[in-house]
Amino acid sequence: GQQLNQSPQSMFIQEGEDVSMNCTSSSIFNTWLWYKQDPGEGPVLLIALYKAGELTSNGRLTAQFGITRKDSFLNISASIPSDVGIYFCAGQGLIGNEKLTFGTGTRLTIIP
Amino acid sequence: EPEVTQTPSHQVTQMGQEVILRCVPISNHLYFYWYRQILGQKVEFLVSFYNNEISEKSEIFDDQFSVERPDGSNFTLKIRSTKLEDSAMYFCASSEDSTEAFFGQGTRLTVV
Repeated sequence: GQQLNQSPQSMFIQEGEDVSMNCTSSSIFNTWLWYKQDPGEGPVLLIALYKAGELTSNGRLTAQFGITRKDSFLNISASIPSDVGIYFCAGQGLIGNEKLTFGTGTRLTIIP
Repeated sequence: EPEVTQTPSHQVTQMGQEVILRCVPISNHLYFYWYRQILGQKVEFLVSFYNNEISEKSEIFDDQFSVERPDGSNFTLKIRSTKLEDSAMYFCASSEDSTEAFFGQGTRLTVV
């Protein structure tokens, strides 16, 4: 089946630092989504990407849909304490196959 | 802001018992999903539902699982005879156009 690998698995950064994480796939996706999950809560949609090469921002977050359609990255600028959580990428395949395949997650910890 | 709501937030059940997890999707959404997340792992797709029928299901969604949209607002997941390995967070999600899926807060199912 389709697999999405995220790296790094975990990150420890200081407040104010920029963060970069990425997601690679063994197969092509038509849509990439980035979610954030806080402990005990559901994933919250951050950014959606629909076209290869697309670069989209949402406040301090920027994400890109890779040209090969097999990867995506998420950057967070000037991190703040509420950025702590687990970030998941999710890929959606062909039209009519709307299930999401989730990545393995990147856990972000901010060191005071 | 519209949101997906799930009840109960936590369900404890004995092995072999039936459970029903309930969800109220966002009101104008047409696509409905159930995902699960075993503690510490990634989110896994179970089933998608559109136009009053299952559109896709994973290998996890065996004949012990069923979904129903009994009225215009609720979307339920039933597990007929729970097993220990069914213990997980179960997330309901909905989407207006099968692209961006919005998740509920989840139901933590504990099978003892």
